[in-house]
Parts: sequence; C-alpha cells; structure tokens
Amino acid sequence: DAGVIQSPRHEVTEMGQEVTLRCKPISGHNSLFWYRQTMMRGLELLIYFNNNVPIDDSGMPEDRFSAKMPNASFSTLKIQPSEPRDSAVYFCASSLAFFFMEGASGNTIYFGEGSWLTVV
Amino acid sequence: DAKTTQPNSMESNEEEPVHLPCNHSTISGTDYIHWYRQLPSQGPEYVIHGLTSNVNNRMASLAIAEDRKSSTLILHRATLRDAAVYYCIPIYNQGGKLIFGQGTELSVKP
Repeated sequence: DAGVIQSPRHEVTEMGQEVTLRCKPISGHNSLFWYRQTMMRGLELLIYFNNNVPIDDSGMPEDRFSAKMPNASFSTLKIQPSEPRDSAVYFCASSLAFFFMEGASGNTIYFGEGSWLTVV
Repeated sequence: DAKTTQPNSMESNEEEPVHLPCNHSTISGTDYIHWYRQLPSQGPEYVIHGLTSNVNNRMASLAIAEDRKSSTLILHRATLRDAAVYYCIPIYNQGGKLIFGQGTELSVKP
C-alpha cells in the first residue's frame, strides 16, 4: 500500500498568498484527519472527516483556514491569506473506521510524511 | 479530556531495554491507550495499543497497570532507529480525539 500521500512536501510562499495542501488517504479508509505541528504548540488536530463529511472543525484556527473532502480519495487544506504564523508542518492522516465511535477506538491512524510550509 | 504525564526526555543505551512510563489517572473504563512515535522529520507512526491486559507486537510491549491509571511502553532492545518522540494517548469514546501531548523524547546512545 502506498500509505497516505501528501503534496507538496515543501512550500515557501509569501505572506498574503493562498496555500493549498493536498492529501490522498489510504484506499478504503473512511476517516481523514488534518494536523498541524509547530515547536510551540506541538501536534494539533485541526479537523477530521468521516465518509467525506466534516465531523469536527473546532481545531481550525480561524476563518482563513478551510478544508474539503470532495471524495473518498482526496482532501485539501487551504489557507487564504497565509501569514508567517501559519508556518508549520501539516500532516494528513487516515483511519479505517470512524475512529471515535465506541469500540472503534482501537483502530490505527496512519500519517503522511507531512507538508512543510514556510510563509515569509 | 484526561491529562497524561510523560517524562520530557529519556536516554538509553543501544541494545538495552527501555521502559517509557505514562500516567493517565483520569482515564475512563472503556478508553484504549495508544502509543505513537515520531521519528525525526517524519509523521507519527502507530506503535501499540491496549485496553486492559498487556499487549505485545513486533515493535514493543505495553504493560497496563491493573487500575489503568498508568501504562509503560517497553522496547526490549533499543536501537539507534528507536530514537524518537513517544506519545501516550488515551482515546475517549464520547467524541474523543487523538490528542497528542508533549511526549517523551528518547535518545539512544551507541
């Protein structure tokens, strides 16, 4: 299996520009997660989807961030406009089942290698 | 969500066993305990999980206290490739989330 695939791996952009991060989950997985990692805040859960539907976006920092999952094999995280404080590593992850249902919390979450974003 | 307490850092010698502790004193009865690790410049990866009894897999063993308020991840023979940040994560069934704390940074000396 190819694992969770993220693109781009690295991006440097100027403040104010739109940034789009992409994710292809593992085939057959129906839960998808976006995380952000910084030195100051560690790993933060931004949003997660089940069967392409956003379930909880309470971790999304502000309206500049949006995430979509138009189908089971693709998701995007968009930042518009970007700011220097958005510089971080953004991870996408997927899981076989709705992770947070009772009894399903024994499932494994698989992470991609991350998208390293620098906003200057 | 319940809090977890892990040492900030630990050191081990190569080929020696490592015991990574985690306190999760407010865990509820049906919550699994997961361990993930993050190697340098990589995404987190699953290590092991358990509910009540001890668990073993090819990567590690998980020892869960009888009262479930703590657990210990055991690497039987540490290698240089095991140098990583190890996260202990109790999962909560009622809208629970995979929340990462600060973890334990394990360094392995040759």
